[in-house]
Amino acid sequence: SYVLTQPPSVSVAPGQTARITCGGNNIGSKTVHWYQQKPGQAPVLVVYDDSDRPSGIPERFSGSNSGNTATLTISRVEAGDEADYYCQVWDSSSDHYVFGTGTKVTVL
Amino acid sequence: EVQLLQSGGGLVQPGGSLRLSCAASGFTFSSYAMTWVRQAPGKGLEWVSVISNSGGSTYYYADSVKGRFTISRDNTKNTLYLQMSSLRAEDTAVYYCAKALKTLPTVTSLTDYWGQGTLVTVS
Repeated sequence: SYVLTQPPSVSVAPGQTARITCGGNNIGSKTVHWYQQKPGQAPVLVVYDDSDRPSGIPERFSGSNSGNTATLTISRVEAGDEADYYCQVWDSSSDHYVFGTGTKVTVL
Repeated sequence: EVQLLQSGGGLVQPGGSLRLSCAASGFTFSSYAMTWVRQAPGKGLEWVSVISNSGGSTYYYADSVKGRFTISRDNTKNTLYLQMSSLRAEDTAVYYCAKALKTLPTVTSLTDYWGQGTLVTVS
């Protein structure tokens, strides 16, 4: 089955840029979505179709996807961005959706 | 306002059955695919199942639940279901229902609104 690998944790100072990677075999050929989950809450979609933002999501959140790595970038990080982040793709070879392993973003 | 109100979780013995419900409001339920996602305590998200929009004629399952769980929907009641049987300890998790972001494609787990989650404990 298709595997998406994320770093367990990323630490970033307020105002700096956080980059969260999502690795998968030829992931650039797939469409990647990103979710943010804060403790005790349901996930929230922050980027879809590699780089689009749902309404209400700040422009500070952006995404890219190429080769074997997709990246979620959070610019000008704020304390409220502290959360777990998950990437997601559709694996057409198995008719399954797959979530990444998740990355905990800590704002220092 | 879009709302997804979940019910049906609880404690069940191994081998038992449980049905989760997700009552939707605030949008045209029959136009959107619906998804179940679960999260074991302290773990990451796991996709469980998705069902297509209007007729619910297309659905997919994670390998971990295939043959034991059944997803369905009643568009007259605006409600999504997950029938779970032959439950195992490893099925213990918070289960979320979620609405598709767009009406197309007809089967998609790209989701924008999520329910509050319901805890299923198999013990």
